[in-house]
Amino acid sequence: GAVVSQHPSRVICKSGTSVKIECRSLDFQATTMFWYRQFPKQSLMLMATSNEGSKATYEQGVEKDKFLINHASLTLSTLTVTSAHPEDSSFYICSAATRTGTSVYEQYFGPGTRLTVT
Amino acid sequence: GQQVMQIPQYQHVQEGEDFTTYCNSSTTLSNIQWYKQRPGGHPVFLIQLVKSGEVKKQKRLTFQFGEAKKNSSLHITATQTTDVGTYFCAARRGYDMRFGAGTRLTVKP
Repeated sequence: GAVVSQHPSRVICKSGTSVKIECRSLDFQATTMFWYRQFPKQSLMLMATSNEGSKATYEQGVEKDKFLINHASLTLSTLTVTSAHPEDSSFYICSAATRTGTSVYEQYFGPGTRLTVT
Repeated sequence: GQQVMQIPQYQHVQEGEDFTTYCNSSTTLSNIQWYKQRPGGHPVFLIQLVKSGEVKKQKRLTFQFGEAKKNSSLHITATQTTDVGTYFCAARRGYDMRFGAGTRLTVKP
C-alpha cells in the first residue's frame, strides 16, 4: 500500500520557537495533503487542506499565521508551528490523498509527530 | 456545518462477541470512509462506501451505507484481540470531510 512518512516523529521545543514538520508520500504523488491535530483519546481535527502549488485552505478557528503550510511538490508538504506555546502541544498527523474516482479520495496517513512545547 | 456523530464512544467485549459502531451525519454524504487506529498508531484506511445502501465485507468486518447516505455502520463478527483499537468514520460531503469521534474497542481474551 501507499506509504506516507512524517518527520520528526517527536519534537520538544521551548516556548516561542518554531517547529517544522515534514510530510512525504514515498511511493505515489498526492493530489492533496491534509493536516490533522489529535488530542489524547480524541478524534482527528482537520486543520487544513493543501493542494500542490496553491495556498492551503484552513478550517475555521485555525490560525493560518501560526500554522504555516507549504505544499512544495506532489510528494512533500510541511507544517510550521510558529512561536509555539504549551497549548500547541499535541499529536499532528498528515495524510496524503489520491483520487481513485471522479470524487473519491483515498487517504494514507503518516505516523504522526508528537510535539511538546515546554 | 456538517455534523458527524459516532456511537458508542467505548465498547468493551469478550473475545468472540460481536461489535458494531454507528456513524450518523446531519447531511447527505458523498461517501464515507472507515479507519482503524491501533493504540499509539496512526489511522489506517479500511474501506470507502459510495453508493446508497452499499454493503461491503472484509473477512469478519461488514460495512453498510444507509439508503439516504446519511448513516453508516461497521460490524465485526466474533471479535478477536487483534481487533482492539479505535474505529473512526470519516464523512465526506463535497470536498468537506469530517471525522467522527471514534469508537474505542477493547477485547477481553
